Formats: sequence, structure tokens, C-alpha cells
Amino acid sequence: AQSVTQLGSHVSVSEGALVLLRCNYSSSVPPYLFWYVQYPNQGLQLLLKYTTGATLVKGINGFEAEFKKSETSFHLTKPSAHMSDAAEYFCAVSVPINSGGSNYKLTFGKGTLLTVNP
Amino acid sequence: DAGVTQSPTHLIKTRGQQVTLRCSPKSGHDTVSWYQQALGQGPQFIFQYYEEEERQRGNFPDRFSGHQFPNYSSELNVNALLLGDSALYLCASSLSLARGNEQFFGPGTRLTVL
Repeated sequence: AQSVTQLGSHVSVSEGALVLLRCNYSSSVPPYLFWYVQYPNQGLQLLLKYTTGATLVKGINGFEAEFKKSETSFHLTKPSAHMSDAAEYFCAVSVPINSGGSNYKLTFGKGTLLTVNP
Repeated sequence: DAGVTQSPTHLIKTRGQQVTLRCSPKSGHDTVSWYQQALGQGPQFIFQYYEEEERQRGNFPDRFSGHQFPNYSSELNVNALLLGDSALYLCASSLSLARGNEQFFGPGTRLTVL
């Protein structure tokens, strides 16, 4: 079964420091991977996604992630944290939900809460 | 473009009652998925609607049911509410069932069961 593990339920960084949020996945098919951000009392917003092709993916707000098949990882990074980056971050993998492989759902990790200290 | 909208924003019910949540997809989207997000957890897939049919569902009991209308909007119904049904219910829309298509999420409906 496909699954996502986010290492660290809470990550705290100083403003201007590197942000690193870890995500490992398991998938029986080549994975499509996503990072979403959720601000308090809001829905989820897509930061970036990996489908095929280039393994380094750039997203919005200066975030990027690298797909590493050998490590089954898709870690999210940002060189310099900003106060506005404080939010909950979810890694997700798109998995087939029927035998024909034409329907897909997102399976999410439990999330990582990022706090940014001034 | 209003994006994905959900109503109501908040809802308080008592055990045993029934509830209906509503979702309007992003303009041009024809697929709606529903997720349950318990406190401190990631969203869990409930079911997905396309062409007014439930295409697949996750590991949720039959108390959870839904509907999609010809204008692609959708409802989620939960019968015989339990305390454990308290959660944020998220609706997501996408264009078709294609795997890589981005799912756009609404702000959610916060359901509290007392």
C-alpha cells in the first residue's frame, strides 16, 4: 500500500535560516508527489508537485523539493525562512484507487508544523 | 474566479443527528473529492465524484454518502453522527481524474459533534 511519512511533527527555525521538511514515501507504482501548505483556518494550497522529468522541482514562495528515488524521499526546502512561512505542511502521494489505474486519490502524511522565530 | 467554496463554515451537531455539507468546485472543474481531516492529522480520502457518480471511496462507513449535481457541485451527507466524526471536512476539485492534475482545496467545514 502507498503511504507517506513525514519526519518531525514540529520544526522550528529562525527567520532567515534554512527550512528542511522531510518526507518519505512508499509506492508500488512510479510516484506522483505533492507538497501542500495549510495556514490556520484555511484549506490546503499546492506548493509544488513532481510527476515525471526533472527531479528538482521549484514551487511557489521560494520552496523547492527534490525527488530521490533511491532514498524514496521528497524533502521540501527553502534557503531562507520568512515569518509568513509559519504554517502546517503536508506531503502527499497520488495513488491509483481502481485496478484500471484511471482514478487517483491523494494519500497525505500527518503534517509538519513549521514555526519561524524572529 | 472564486475557487472552491464550501458551506457552512462551521457546524455543531449532537450525536445521532444527520448533516449535509456543500461544495462548489473551481470554475471549469468536473471532479470533486472529499477528505476528512481530524485534529493533528493529515486529510483522509472519503470519496470522489465524477460525472455525477461516486468513482471510489476510502475506508469510511456507509453513514458517509454523497452526491454530485449536473453543475458539478457536490454534497457530503453523514448520518447517525458520532463524536469521532468531529473534524474539518475538505472538498477538493480538479479537472478530470488525471493523476497529475492539481486538486484545489476549499477552506473546509468544521464539524463539531457533541
